[in-house]
Amino acid sequence: ETGVTQSPTHLIKTRGQQVTLRCSSQSGHNTVSWYQQALGQGPQFIFQYYREEENGRGNFPPRFSGLQFPNYSSELNVNALELDDSALYLCASSFSGLPTDTQYFGPGTRLTVL
Amino acid sequence: ELKVEQNPLFLSMQEGKNYTIYCNYSTTSDRLYWYRQDPGKSLESLFVLLSNGAVKQEGRLMASLDTKARLSTLHITAAVHDLSATYFCAVANNFGNEKLTFGTGTRLTIIP
Repeated sequence: ETGVTQSPTHLIKTRGQQVTLRCSSQSGHNTVSWYQQALGQGPQFIFQYYREEENGRGNFPPRFSGLQFPNYSSELNVNALELDDSALYLCASSFSGLPTDTQYFGPGTRLTVL
Repeated sequence: ELKVEQNPLFLSMQEGKNYTIYCNYSTTSDRLYWYRQDPGKSLESLFVLLSNGAVKQEGRLMASLDTKARLSTLHITAAVHDLSATYFCAVANNFGNEKLTFGTGTRLTIIP
């Protein structure tokens, strides 16, 4: 059983650019959630995808968008990057429907916006 | 809006001592998680607490949940250096999409 993987591990962009982050969910999981973790803070929920549909969104602007594919992998896209977008981006996969529904986190992508 | 508060934010303790981290949350939820994060690393799931009075133990860590008081505790017994990390509690919303709201984290440092 493979765990959650993310790519790339590190990324440096400049203000105004666009970025795509990728996540492969754990085998058997159908739900992917994305979180942003600024330095020294707890993760903040961005959105969740369940069976290719957005299933909840946090307080993030529309320039944060996502996709989930039939194999349940997912992408997070951020347009018009701002300095405050610098953070660790975590994806988490789970199998919706089970009582425990634990979200398992990937290693994260560290995004730096200059 | 669900708010989750942890205290203390920073905790420095000697090996062999006991201590407790507290997690308070503002609205009803019956699902609470504890995660560990090492510097520069991702989050590792420690415990899932699903009902009032739930208690889970793993090694030197024990977590409990009181849904009426909206309080969870993470108790550390006879701390060892390997437990140095940041600990987060996270509360699930009750609307089906399992959005997790995280606390601010407790940075735990175990001193030999």
